[in-house]
Amino acid sequence: GENVEQHPSTLSVQEGDSAVIKCTYSDSASNYFPWYKQELGKGPQLIIDIRSNVGEKKDQRIAVTLNKTAKHFSLHITETQPEDSAVYFCAASRSNYQLIWGAGTKLIIKP
Amino acid sequence: ETGVTQTPRHLVMGMTNKKSLKCEQHLGHNAMYWYKQSAKKPLELMFVYNFKEQTENNSVPSRFSPECPNSSHLFLHLHTLQPEDSALYLCASSQERTGTLEAFFGQGTRLTVV
Repeated sequence: GENVEQHPSTLSVQEGDSAVIKCTYSDSASNYFPWYKQELGKGPQLIIDIRSNVGEKKDQRIAVTLNKTAKHFSLHITETQPEDSAVYFCAASRSNYQLIWGAGTKLIIKP
Repeated sequence: ETGVTQTPRHLVMGMTNKKSLKCEQHLGHNAMYWYKQSAKKPLELMFVYNFKEQTENNSVPSRFSPECPNSSHLFLHLHTLQPEDSALYLCASSQERTGTLEAFFGQGTRLTVV
């Protein structure tokens, strides 16, 4: 079946440095790619998403890039802060289909 | 506060018990979901309801039984569970057919089967 692979499973970065999380997807018809952040004791929350008609989208310190040819997309967080510590999930879907989720990346920001 | 409320937050139950998880959304959405979240695994979609009608059942064992009495409430009835069913159960809602697929999640119910 369709799947989404996410790497790394754990990422530890120094406060102020950048963090990059990568995902690959198998369904070439996928056209919607959201990223969710899950803080401890909470459910996942959408932080940014991108559709297949654009290659990059930015929102303050976070950005997402999409390479449709290679079927991968990445989340970039710059100038990391302690409140960025969380588990991040990528997902992919095609129109009117359900989201296929990655396994998550635990991001640790070291002071 | 995301507008999706789940109760209880924590539940410990024996394998012979019957319990129910409750989810309520105050966002006016027309689709609701149950997900299972286990450590280091992708979110597993269990059930989907669109306009109160179940549209997906992803090969979930019959010991899990969903109920959607109206578009704002969703239940997950549990009976004769197994220890491997211990996980975080997340409810989510979305507004289908508007061009956006954003899902709003509740805080989850941490279920432990003993």
